[in-house]
Amino acid sequence: EVRLVESGGGLIQPGRSLRLACAASGFTFEDHAMHWVRQRPGKGLEWVSGITWGSGEKEYADSVEGRFTISRDNAKNSLYLQMNSLRPEDTALYYCARDNTVAVAGPIDHWGQGTLVIVSS
Amino acid sequence: DIVMTQSPDSLAVSLGERATISCKSSQSVLYNSNKRNFVSWYHQKPGQPPKLLIYWASTRQPGVPERFSGGESGTDFTLTINSLQPEDVGVYYCQQYLSTPWTFGQGTKVEIK
Repeated sequence: EVRLVESGGGLIQPGRSLRLACAASGFTFEDHAMHWVRQRPGKGLEWVSGITWGSGEKEYADSVEGRFTISRDNAKNSLYLQMNSLRPEDTALYYCARDNTVAVAGPIDHWGQGTLVIVSS
Repeated sequence: DIVMTQSPDSLAVSLGERATISCKSSQSVLYNSNKRNFVSWYHQKPGQPPKLLIYWASTRQPGVPERFSGGESGTDFTLTINSLQPEDVGVYYCQQYLSTPWTFGQGTKVEIK
């Protein structure tokens, strides 16, 4: 069974940093690209970032480019999102999600339960 | 960026009846190499993550009931739910994954009439 378990969310002040992690199990992690997708409270889905199987390519939404960094450790079956210079508009539930392919070529076929990030003073 | 526009924003359908959701992309999402539209459909129930229903615009994900089907015509896409069941309530999203940034439609809320 595919499992994606996010962690690292919480309440953080504007301008500070936070690192999210996603522990993957139940599949061969290095056979899949991975993504972060967020959902603001009561709103729709927003793709944040994606990374290919070997970290050769990393893609970002304009809203987070230059502030967020996606990475992965295939030896640890883990995905990460380093979030710097956080803003109130980054408040959201952050989902770890699995790509159906090795590239950032979709679709997303499995999602975690999400970790909530609240940016507020 | 490719904009995905869904309609309607919400709809109420009687149990056993058909629900149809539309999604229009602002530009082609056709991948020329395999002539497939890179569009997927997701269903999100309250308090749960989204679930993949359809990819390549019309291919049903394994395990998804046959009452769900995807249609495509140019930049217009449809998700049809035949014979709506109680477990089908929630919000449905279309998404394009042809080019980054990947973009989602705003969502369509489906309720029981």
